[in-house]
Amino acid sequence: SVLTQPPSVSGTPGQRVTISCSGSSSNIGRNTANWYQHLPGTAPKVLIYSDGQRPSGVPDRFSGSKSGTSASLAISGLQSEDEADYYCAAWDDSLNGWVFGGGTKLTVL
Amino acid sequence: EVQLVESGGGLVQPGGSLRLSCAASGFTFSYYHMTWVRQAPGKGLEWVSYITDSSDTIYYADSVKGRFTISRDNAKNSLYLQMNSLRAEDTAVYYCARVISRRFDPWGQGTLVTISS
Repeated sequence: SVLTQPPSVSGTPGQRVTISCSGSSSNIGRNTANWYQHLPGTAPKVLIYSDGQRPSGVPDRFSGSKSGTSASLAISGLQSEDEADYYCAAWDDSLNGWVFGGGTKLTVL
Repeated sequence: EVQLVESGGGLVQPGGSLRLSCAASGFTFSYYHMTWVRQAPGKGLEWVSYITDSSDTIYYADSVKGRFTISRDNAKNSLYLQMNSLRAEDTAVYYCARVISRRFDPWGQGTLVTISS
């Protein structure tokens, strides 16, 4: 994948976890990053857009940030229902298209 | 309620064709850009194609360029993906999504396309 994410992260209920997303100057370095949550068998859902904005209805336990060519998703107060796959994405000026990270599977122990 | 419903998936032989549809409701379809994203079995999300509200700008991922054609009918509130010369690696769940400020929101439930002999 053009964007690089860790394949998996885990945490216990109540903990805080972060998921990184590394890109380049043609995508995250020049455009905003979005984060999607995907539970198997359901429609993916946008969690964070424009690097750090939350759509209405998304709990403030979810937060996003960006620095240079990397973006991060933080989930605090981890809950069992947060178990899902998380993807970062951004527009790529060189490819003239969107690029996704490979996805990170979050396990709540 | 904003809703996107994909249809048209199925089993097709390699080299065959398939046309996916995405029916939109709950919003003014003609005002929004739209996109297709797919997920192969056991793999991550992959962006496929994008079309502007008036169809004047279209983009494709390199993996489907020359084989897939995106289109829309604003009068029918529908988005389409014509897929030709299908390959085994095109096997995936295909999602349509509305594009708002370069984010995809919402997404449909997806339709499964299986390419196999």
